[in-house]
Amino acid sequence: QKEVEQDPGPLSVPEGAIVSLNCTYSNSAFQYFMWYRQYSRKGPELLMYTYSSGNKEDGRFTAQVDKSSKYISLFIRDSQPSDSATYLCAPGGFQKLVFGTGTRLLVSP
Amino acid sequence: NAGVMQNPRHLVRRRGQEARLRCSPMKGHSHVYWYRQLPEEGLKFMVYLQKENIIDESGMPKERFSAEFPKEGPSILRIQQVVRGDSAAYFCASSRDSSGANVLTFGAGSRLTVL
Repeated sequence: QKEVEQDPGPLSVPEGAIVSLNCTYSNSAFQYFMWYRQYSRKGPELLMYTYSSGNKEDGRFTAQVDKSSKYISLFIRDSQPSDSATYLCAPGGFQKLVFGTGTRLLVSP
Repeated sequence: NAGVMQNPRHLVRRRGQEARLRCSPMKGHSHVYWYRQLPEEGLKFMVYLQKENIIDESGMPKERFSAEFPKEGPSILRIQQVVRGDSAAYFCASSRDSSGANVLTFGAGSRLTVL
């Protein structure tokens, strides 16, 4: 079993749609849950992170963690073509992060 | 404030040659991580270093790969006797410290092609 599982997509949605991206993980020791965004041929950039269970909102983005089911979600409201990228979940502890394979999102105008 | 700087951005090597990838962390960051990304795959952890110390190399192949982060200068990921399977994007990341949320800042990556 992989430490982090993420549907690779691609996920295609029209502009303005609500997008839901999800990950599951196996290590109950993970305490921090990061979401990175990676544009084609670029390095990943941090989008947002949460600590332990709960929700966190930042503009059009909401991150949600359910530690009891080891399930991580990222919601994007009013999606834009500029949101087209690969989204990587990365749970971790105090040192290295473990990345999912990433979900490729395509938002069409 | 420059971000994480990696060079070269692109590197082409023939089988059997050596590849050296360099990474300068963000100013004020003393922790460096190397990740490898194969096409259609996620980022795979390779090694975590602090100045002059390897903290975790559990993701490094046992042979041909080595990493260092000297007291002065950039971190170096060295691949000896490269093979076609080493072709990948190699990303370096840095962080200020490893307490609390370990927020990694990534460089743009070095893309290695082995002919």
